Amino acid sequence: GENVEQHPSTLSVQEGDSAVIKCTYSDSASNYFPWYKQELGKRPQLIIDIRSNVGEKKDQRIAVTLNKTAKHFSLHITETQPEDSAVYFCAPNYGGATNKLIFGTGTLLAVQP
Amino acid sequence: EPEVTQTPSHQVTQMGQEVILRCVPISNHLYFYWYRQILGQKVEFLVSFYNNEISEKSEIFDDQFSVERPDGSNFTLKIRSTKLEDSAMYFCASSGPGPSSRNTIYFGEGSWLTVV
Repeated sequence: GENVEQHPSTLSVQEGDSAVIKCTYSDSASNYFPWYKQELGKRPQLIIDIRSNVGEKKDQRIAVTLNKTAKHFSLHITETQPEDSAVYFCAPNYGGATNKLIFGTGTLLAVQP
Repeated sequence: EPEVTQTPSHQVTQMGQEVILRCVPISNHLYFYWYRQILGQKVEFLVSFYNNEISEKSEIFDDQFSVERPDGSNFTLKIRSTKLEDSAMYFCASSGPGPSSRNTIYFGEGSWLTVV
């Protein structure tokens, strides 16, 4: 079945601290693991993604790590800034051969100045 | 940077009426999608479309819904006989063109549908 969970559901950090959000999925055939950022009333915006043949990927202050054996992947944001405040969704693809993304339940990140 | 564009941005419709939401995907993309997001909830997959046919659809995408690519640039979602529970933000998305980039999905700004 399609089961994607995120933890925590809310996360409050001080500006400059790091934030980590974990996504657990159930479909062992998933091979594409993106993270989307959604500001209030806006579209989901792709911020970073990783494919199953890679364990870690970094883009400036953002990184994603993948543990395919344990079926989870995590978003890491370092040196958080107030503009990082948003809802973050993981959205692994379902079935491996499809483009269907199954969104997680979302994590509300609040960065306190 | 190319973007997925959607119209209208907001539509209010009477229950039972038909609604058509329009999208212009990124020009060289070949894979098209509709997702929806009920207020305060997660984004849900509705349908994917490739090579002029539906490639996959969710349980939400029942006979009330249909998609069409009427020309080379537009991609539409039609909802027949709208219900109150159809009220949501509907996101169009696209990806491609090649197999290596088909997973990288870009979303439009959304069409907010309110059924009254």
